[in-house]
Amino acid sequence: AQKVTQAQTEISVVEKEDVTLDCVYETRDTTYYLFWYKQPPSGELVFLIRRNSFDEQNEISGRYSWNFQKSTSSFNFTITASQVVDSAVYFCALSEAVRSGGSNYKLTFGKGTLLTVNP
Amino acid sequence: KAGVTQTPRYLIKTRGQQVTLSCSPISGHRSVSWYQQTPGQGLQFLFEYFSETQRNKGNFPGRFSGRQFSNSRSEMNVSTLELGDSALYLCASTPGGGVEQFFGPGTRLTVL
Repeated sequence: AQKVTQAQTEISVVEKEDVTLDCVYETRDTTYYLFWYKQPPSGELVFLIRRNSFDEQNEISGRYSWNFQKSTSSFNFTITASQVVDSAVYFCALSEAVRSGGSNYKLTFGKGTLLTVNP
Repeated sequence: KAGVTQTPRYLIKTRGQQVTLSCSPISGHRSVSWYQQTPGQGLQFLFEYFSETQRNKGNFPGRFSGRQFSNSRSEMNVSTLELGDSALYLCASTPGGGVEQFFGPGTRLTVL
């Protein structure tokens, strides 16, 4: 069975601080996908990034960066120079290929980390 | 392109009633998934539809059902509502062959 653990329930920082959100996952599959989503107070889940299990390259997108380490089953997310607009709940998620050849995937989510960025 | 739309956005029902929620995926997306979000259980997968066929189902009782139409729009139904069914129900769509799921704003269901 697959599992995603986000050990940090809540994080509070002051604007311009860097913050890292941790994500640890468990899966028996060799092919899987990892995701980060952002959920602002409005409730809609906003897709941030997807990483394939066979691609361990780290990625940077503006102030966001992701560190994928298969050896430790971790997929951490760092926000550099945080801003008040970054305040939200962030979810890490995992999907395994249930069937090949199609978009037949289901997401297993962590419990989420509530990030509060104070001015 | 318009995003995923869900109707209604808010719903109040009483125990024992049934409810139908609707989801229109992003144009061209053929896979639709449903999730339930509660404070206690977090985000849980309900089911996924592709080309009008349910391909995957989560661990929910048979009171939860869904369907997908030929235009990829999907509905989910919950019969004999219980207080514990109060939740945010999120719908997501995925393009054919894709992996990312794009979510709608959700329907907030309150069962009294």
